[in-house]
Amino acid sequence: QVQLQESGPGLVKPSDTLSLTCAVSGYSISSSNWWGWIRQPPGKGLEWIGYIYYSGSIYYNPSLKSRVTMSVDTSKNQFSLKLSSVTAVDTAVYYCARFVGYCSGGSCYGAFDIWGQGTMVTVSS
Amino acid sequence: QSVLTQPPSASGTPGQRVTISCSGSSSNIGSNTVNWYQQLPGTAPKLLIYSNNQRPSGVPDRFSGSKSGTSASLAISGLQSEDEADYYCAAWDDSLNGQVFGGGTKLTVL
Repeated sequence: QVQLQESGPGLVKPSDTLSLTCAVSGYSISSSNWWGWIRQPPGKGLEWIGYIYYSGSIYYNPSLKSRVTMSVDTSKNQFSLKLSSVTAVDTAVYYCARFVGYCSGGSCYGAFDIWGQGTMVTVSS
Repeated sequence: QSVLTQPPSASGTPGQRVTISCSGSSSNIGSNTVNWYQQLPGTAPKLLIYSNNQRPSGVPDRFSGSKSGTSASLAISGLQSEDEADYYCAAWDDSLNGQVFGGGTKLTVL
């Protein structure tokens, strides 16, 4: 059974960097899949953050691209998210998910089929 | 405002059939496939429909999806109380070069 579990600080100070990790169990992150991050501000809808392939290929949301860094650690079967210069608008539940599909020529086609439970991150001093 | 437009709310009584619409443009729904996610209260989203009308294993056939032009729809037949949730459509947008979601529709079972 494939499971994803997010972890990281629940409270981040404004202007600091938010760092989260998604541990994957029951499935090798090196299999032919992309992996993604999605966030949801309290009481609001979903926002895609980005996808990463096990080899390191990446697609970021253009609106967040200047502040986002995603990485993969195949030895630990996990992938990570860093979001710099955070403000209160970055307060949200952050989800990691497996993306079944493919990315080619600047576009990605597929769906998030397995999601982590989500982790709440609050940006506040 | 979300790139994909959904009604904020929908409702129905048990046993009824309800539909939720998702309106987009030529750069997203018009040229790419649509997925639907169900988010039960306090839980992570769950994939409900992919590639416009395909159901993942385990999703009841009461749920169906369709797409026409730049719009898509999710239909739920034989509505049940456990279907009360938020529903989101999603698609790739070629102009924005990113995945976009609808604003979500809160389904209430009366």
